[in-house]
Amino acid sequence: QKEVEQNSGPLSVPEGAIASLNCTYSDRGSQSFFWYRQYSGKSPELIMSIYSNGDKEDGRFTAQLNKASQYVSLLIRDSQPSDSATYLCALTRSGYSTLTFGKGTMLLVSP
Amino acid sequence: NAGVTQTPKFQVLKTGQSMTLQCAQDMNHNSMYWYRQDPGMGLRLIYYSASEGTTDKGEVPNGYNVSRLNKREFSLRLESAAPSQTSVYFCASSLQDITDTQYFGPGTRLTVL
Repeated sequence: QKEVEQNSGPLSVPEGAIASLNCTYSDRGSQSFFWYRQYSGKSPELIMSIYSNGDKEDGRFTAQLNKASQYVSLLIRDSQPSDSATYLCALTRSGYSTLTFGKGTMLLVSP
Repeated sequence: NAGVTQTPKFQVLKTGQSMTLQCAQDMNHNSMYWYRQDPGMGLRLIYYSASEGTTDKGEVPNGYNVSRLNKREFSLRLESAAPSQTSVYFCASSLQDITDTQYFGPGTRLTVL
């Protein structure tokens, strides 16, 4: 199993729907998890971080972490066309002093 | 406050040529990073510098060298460019710890012919 796995997509959702993006990881020692958004041709930007099991909400975004099952999710409520981007999952790994990024999931929100 | 800046934005090289990608940050961050991003491969760390005066290899360091010139600047050098180094290169910085937010520069799109 790869360190960080994401479905490459594209994930297509209609405007106003909930988009659910998932990320699984292999290192049980991972402690910190991040979601970065990257618009086409642009650089990544951090949108959410989560460190404890459960949900963390920030506006229309909710990050969900389940360390026992080794997955982290990002929910986007009331999806907008402006949410169309690639979402990168990143995490810390035990024994490593840098982040490990997944390959990203492309989200397309249609009007 | 410009954040993280990178030069150049675009570059075309011939195989065997050398070049240096420049990166600077004005956020007084201690840690700086160089990534490459290829289609289907995600972001891969080339080198990083946890503090001024230190550099360490990342996942894909072969063919590259780096210099942490001072706290603000972190350059990436390709000594003899190869077509496999065609990629988009991102510089990033963070305050200190691995869990601090990484701020990315706009990227350099490099093509090696």
